Amino acid sequence: GQQVMQIPQYQHVQEGEDFTTYCNSSTTLSNIQWYKQRPGGHPVFLIQLVKSGEVKKQKRLTFQFGEAKKNSSLHITATQTTDVGTYFCAGQGGSEKLVFGKGMKLTVNP
Amino acid sequence: SQTIHQWPATLVQPVGSPLSLECTVEGTSNPNLYWYRQAAGRGLQLLFYSVGIGQISSEVPQNLSASRPQDRQFILSSKKLLLSDSGFYLCAARGEYNSPLHFGNGTRLTVT
Repeated sequence: GQQVMQIPQYQHVQEGEDFTTYCNSSTTLSNIQWYKQRPGGHPVFLIQLVKSGEVKKQKRLTFQFGEAKKNSSLHITATQTTDVGTYFCAGQGGSEKLVFGKGMKLTVNP
Repeated sequence: SQTIHQWPATLVQPVGSPLSLECTVEGTSNPNLYWYRQAAGRGLQLLFYSVGIGQISSEVPQNLSASRPQDRQFILSSKKLLLSDSGFYLCAARGEYNSPLHFGNGTRLTVT
């Protein structure tokens, strides 16, 4: 079945640093979505990518969908303590299922 | 906008006891509904999803079942809980194919 893998699973950065996390699907996707879960909370939708090669920005966050629509990346610029949480990508193939990766847990050293 | 109601927020149940978690949705009709489970520090595992009343797709064979008796009501059940059923259970909904998921606040279940 469809699998979504995220790397790395853990990321610890110094405040102000940039970093990138990656998401890879075993199958071609119709769209990919990114969510953020703060500690103790529930996942909250960040963004959706639909087109091959699509790039979207939200302030310091840049999301990209691969040309083959099987991978995606999230780049955070100048990390802040408010960025702390777990970031999930979720891929949708040809059905109603939305399959989540295991998440990338971000901690920030102030 | 959609609002997902889930209760209770926390639950402690003994092994072998039954379980019923309810989720209701406001703000949309005929939503697609989902149950996910998150073990401590882990990812989101899709348990069940439903595209309509009485239509349930099960993703993982396990000790749980789901039902959708009404359009905006989704219930997760178990006849006899196992220790391994402990986790954070999240109900989610979306109105259209390809649209984002909206999650409820979740239920933290501890089976003792």
